[in-house]
Amino acid sequence: DAGVIQSPRHEVTEMGQEVTLRCKPISGHNSLFWYRQTMMRGLELLIYFNNNVPIDDSGMPEDRFSAKMPNASFSTLKIQPSEPRDSAVYFCASSLGGGHKAFFGQGTRLTVV
Amino acid sequence: DQQVKQNSPSLSVQEGRISILNCDYTNSMFDYFLWYKKYPAEGPTFLISISSIKDKNEDGRFTVFLNKSAKHLSLHIVPSQPGDSAVYFCAASERNGGATNKLIFGTGTLLAVQP
Repeated sequence: DAGVIQSPRHEVTEMGQEVTLRCKPISGHNSLFWYRQTMMRGLELLIYFNNNVPIDDSGMPEDRFSAKMPNASFSTLKIQPSEPRDSAVYFCASSLGGGHKAFFGQGTRLTVV
Repeated sequence: DQQVKQNSPSLSVQEGRISILNCDYTNSMFDYFLWYKKYPAEGPTFLISISSIKDKNEDGRFTVFLNKSAKHLSLHIVPSQPGDSAVYFCAASERNGGATNKLIFGTGTLLAVQP
């Protein structure tokens, strides 16, 4: 298996622009997580899905952030409009329902200038 | 509010010696704990875990200790090797009666093993 696949690996955008991050979880995994890594907060859970349904989005920082999972093999995290303080590395992870171990993608480094 | 805390941002150890990374948590409902390792420009990878019904789990050079009364866990690496140099994240999950166990992570500790 190729593991969790995220795209793009790097994204540089101007403030105010819309940014869409993409994730393909491991086939067969039914839980998907979006995390953001910052120096201050470490790996911060933004939102997670179970069987394509959002379970907890309490970590989403603002209404500018939204996430979707239209099917079991694809999820997006959208920021609209983006701001410089959104600059961070965003990780997607997946796991088998009921399991504790999550598998991470390589992340998307987002820079908003 | 950080439910999982790693109070040491960095640690430097000589090759061959023991590395001890510490983690504290506040939520008594956490019932499973994990350590992840992260190299630059890569995603975190699972290293070792422990259930709350145990106080020790060992896997080769890596041992995790859990002290539930103190809400504290530690990761011991012995002997430390230069390839162990990475950021180590402590994580915890709470059984919520559902099918998904979300992981709450700490801020990480950067381990540098000096040759």
